[in-house]
Amino acid sequence: AQSVTQPDIHITVSEGASLELRCNYSYGATPYLFWYVQSPGQGLQLLLKYFSGDTLVQGIKGFEAEFKRSQSSFNLRKPSVHWSDAAEYFCAVGDPSGYSTLTFGKGTMLLVSP
Amino acid sequence: DAGVIQSPRHEVTEMGQEVTLRCKPISGHNSLFWYRQTMMRGLELLIYFNNNVPIDDSGMPEDRFSAKMPNASFSTLKIQPSEPRDSAVYFCASSLGLNQETQYFGPGTRLLVL
Repeated sequence: AQSVTQPDIHITVSEGASLELRCNYSYGATPYLFWYVQSPGQGLQLLLKYFSGDTLVQGIKGFEAEFKRSQSSFNLRKPSVHWSDAAEYFCAVGDPSGYSTLTFGKGTMLLVSP
Repeated sequence: DAGVIQSPRHEVTEMGQEVTLRCKPISGHNSLFWYRQTMMRGLELLIYFNNNVPIDDSGMPEDRFSAKMPNASFSTLKIQPSEPRDSAVYFCASSLGLNQETQYFGPGTRLLVL
């Protein structure tokens, strides 16, 4: 079965600084990979997804993620963080070969300091 | 499109009472998911449907929990009897299909059982 690890529960970044959120997965082959964001009091919203092809994926709100097969990672990045990016971020994996659904990580809470 | 609609947005009830949560998926979506989110356990998948048929309910915590999808535009999650440990935010999500399809989340129902 697939699993997802987000090693950082909380991260604090200064506004304008760069951001990298870590995601590691466990799966026998290349899974489908997703990043979702949850603002306070809201549901989850898709930021970006990777199925195949170019390992650098661009998403909404200026986010990008890079799939690294050798490290079983799919880290989320943003070059300059805005205060409105403060939210909880979830990495998720899907099984391309099965009739199944997504497995979510525990989430990373991003705090943005002035 | 209005997105995934959930009602009520907030529910406060007393232990032992029946609670019914409602979800209207995005029109045209064939898959529907119920999740529970708590601080302790994160985001948990409870049950999901495809074409109105329950596919996997292994995430349903106890027999007190039941879910139905009588048609393509409506689903309910029922807890009977409710207990304080059921207090959580319950999310409904829908997608065009299973697997690699993006899931669109509703705003959630915040349930408090006293």
